[in-house]
Amino acid sequence: EVQLVESGGGLVQPGGSLRLSCAASGFTFSRNWMTWVRQGPWKGLEWVANIKPDGSEKYYVDSVKGRFTISRDNAKNSLGLQMNSLRPEDTAIYYCLGGDNNYDFWGQGTLVTVSS
Amino acid sequence: QAVVTQEPSLTVSPGGTVTLTCGSSIGAVTSGHYPYWFQQKPGQAPRTLIYKISNKHSWTPARFSGSLLGGKAALTLSGAQPEDEAEYYCLLLFIGAWVFGGGTKLTVL
Repeated sequence: EVQLVESGGGLVQPGGSLRLSCAASGFTFSRNWMTWVRQGPWKGLEWVANIKPDGSEKYYVDSVKGRFTISRDNAKNSLGLQMNSLRPEDTAIYYCLGGDNNYDFWGQGTLVTVSS
Repeated sequence: QAVVTQEPSLTVSPGGTVTLTCGSSIGAVTSGHYPYWFQQKPGQAPRTLIYKISNKHSWTPARFSGSLLGGKAALTLSGAQPEDEAEYYCLLLFIGAWVFGGGTKLTVL
């Protein structure tokens, strides 16, 4: 059974930092692109970032470039998202996605709230 | 950055057929955009229905199908069921980034 379990969400002040993690199991993590997607309150889905299987290529939505960094540890089947200089508009549920076809499986999400 | 457009809302009768579309602000949607379709019900994480235009997962009900239609990606639901009432999102690949559509709220009524 495939599982993607996000962690690390919470309440942070504007300008602060947070690191999200995603533990993957049940599929060949090291062979797949992995992705972060977020969903703000009463909003739709927003693609945030993805990373190539070997970590050599990373892509970001314009609104997080220079602030967020996606990473992975294939030995631990783990995906990360380092979020710096957080803004209120970054408030969202953050989902981890992966699978042989890039977006096969979703985690349950972790909530990030940026507020003073 | 490209904008991906979807109908904000659609209504279908039980047993009826409805087509949701997914367009691009910068031109026709093609196979090179690798369209995906996702379903999200209230309080739940989304799940993937269709990948790369028309491919289904093992959990995708047979009544859903994907295609390219008139320069857009399309999701067709044939024989709508009450449990199909949900928000549907498409996702397209552009140079260097993927972009979601704004979602279509589908009502089965």
